[in-house]
Amino acid sequence: DGGITQSPKYLFRKEGQNVTLSCEQNLNHDAMYWYRQDPGQGLRLIYYSQIVNDFQKGDIAEGYSVSREKKESFPLTVTSAQKNPTAFYLCASSLDRGFYGYTFGSGTRLTVV
Amino acid sequence: ILNVEQSPQSLHVQEGDSTNFTCSFPSSNFYALHWYRWETAKSPEALFVMTLNGDEKKKGRISATLNTKEGYSYLYIKGSQPEDSATYLCASSSNTGKLIFGQGTTLQVKP
Repeated sequence: DGGITQSPKYLFRKEGQNVTLSCEQNLNHDAMYWYRQDPGQGLRLIYYSQIVNDFQKGDIAEGYSVSREKKESFPLTVTSAQKNPTAFYLCASSLDRGFYGYTFGSGTRLTVV
Repeated sequence: ILNVEQSPQSLHVQEGDSTNFTCSFPSSNFYALHWYRWETAKSPEALFVMTLNGDEKKKGRISATLNTKEGYSYLYIKGSQPEDSATYLCASSSNTGKLIFGQGTTLQVKP
């Protein structure tokens, strides 16, 4: 079955450590996205990539980094520079740059202690 | 309106009640309006994509309408069931393709 896989579902890290969240899709979608959700807020765009080897900052990119070396994969690194990393992170992909919607993963909940 | 806004933020209804939510979005550079249903511990699932003013879409007991001139969409659920309990997300896409999401409406249906 085609879909998006995010791993792990839950992640705990110590403050000051970098951590990488995985997102893999087998839908042959060109575009991929990372969103962050905090309680009471909508999904906020961190980074997105519309083709391999290219990506753009979203609204809240500070403290995050990404790579897009393969079409199927768009890992997100939460660096120690991110001031409030504890959040729910959602990955998505789209065939048509998002005009007709996204397919989502099931998310990773990151807790930094 | 600069952002996508949804109301109410949360809603508690009894089984069998009908309910509706509102999504307001910027009408400039509008391309499409999306509704997603997000159950706890699952991925958001696409419900509707609407592009034309006056569009109405229906899936079972759930329907949605779109007014692009005034920048709002309504989602209706007829005869709510406990399995309808979820967060309903609305998102607007402009001519760039990127989706801007509202904060969601969380629906709890009590048996």
